[in-house]
Amino acid sequence: DTGVSQNPRHKITKRGQNVTFRCDPISEHNRLYWYRQTLGQGPEFLTYFQNEAQLEKSRLLSDRFSAERPKGSFSTLEIQRTEQGDSAMYLCASSLWQTGVAYEQYFGPGTRLTVT
Amino acid sequence: DQQVKQNSPSLSVQEGRISILNCDYTNSMFDYFLWYKKYPAEGPTFLISISSIKDKNEDGRFTVFLNKSAKHLSLHIVPSQPGDSAVYFCAAGVENAGKSTFGDGTTLTVKP
Repeated sequence: DTGVSQNPRHKITKRGQNVTFRCDPISEHNRLYWYRQTLGQGPEFLTYFQNEAQLEKSRLLSDRFSAERPKGSFSTLEIQRTEQGDSAMYLCASSLWQTGVAYEQYFGPGTRLTVT
Repeated sequence: DQQVKQNSPSLSVQEGRISILNCDYTNSMFDYFLWYKKYPAEGPTFLISISSIKDKNEDGRFTVFLNKSAKHLSLHIVPSQPGDSAVYFCAAGVENAGKSTFGDGTTLTVKP
């Protein structure tokens, strides 16, 4: 397994356009997370899935953001009507979770979004 | 309100010496803590973790100390090597919840 992969690595879009990012987690991992990171800050939680179920969304996540994990494998994050404030690195991570045990998250390289 | 804080944006140490990175948290519900390392153009990579039932965890050159009463943890790297130069993130979470809450990172520079 080559780890968590994300595509595209870079995306430049004009304000108002929609963008979609893809994340392929480590195959045996049942949890998948999306984070956003801006310069000088740590990753900020957006949402996470356990298998195909979306279990939590950040209250900071506007309704322009939607994420799916249809078959419990890969996930997509869509941003509609992009704004300049959406410019950031979008990180995907996966982990193996079992009852009562928390494991570390494995991160992908991220997708850098620039909204012009 | 930031629940995980790394108050030192940067740290510079000499090769072979000890590096000590600090992290404070405010949420008493956190019951596990992790350190991640990040190189440019890569995602964070897991380094070491500690459960709230412990006060120390060691893995090779890396040791994490947890002081629950002070809501403080630290990462010790001994001896420091130039390859350790990276951004280090402290993170915390609740075991049966999903997300981790991250600090803003400390940039460590180890000089040869």
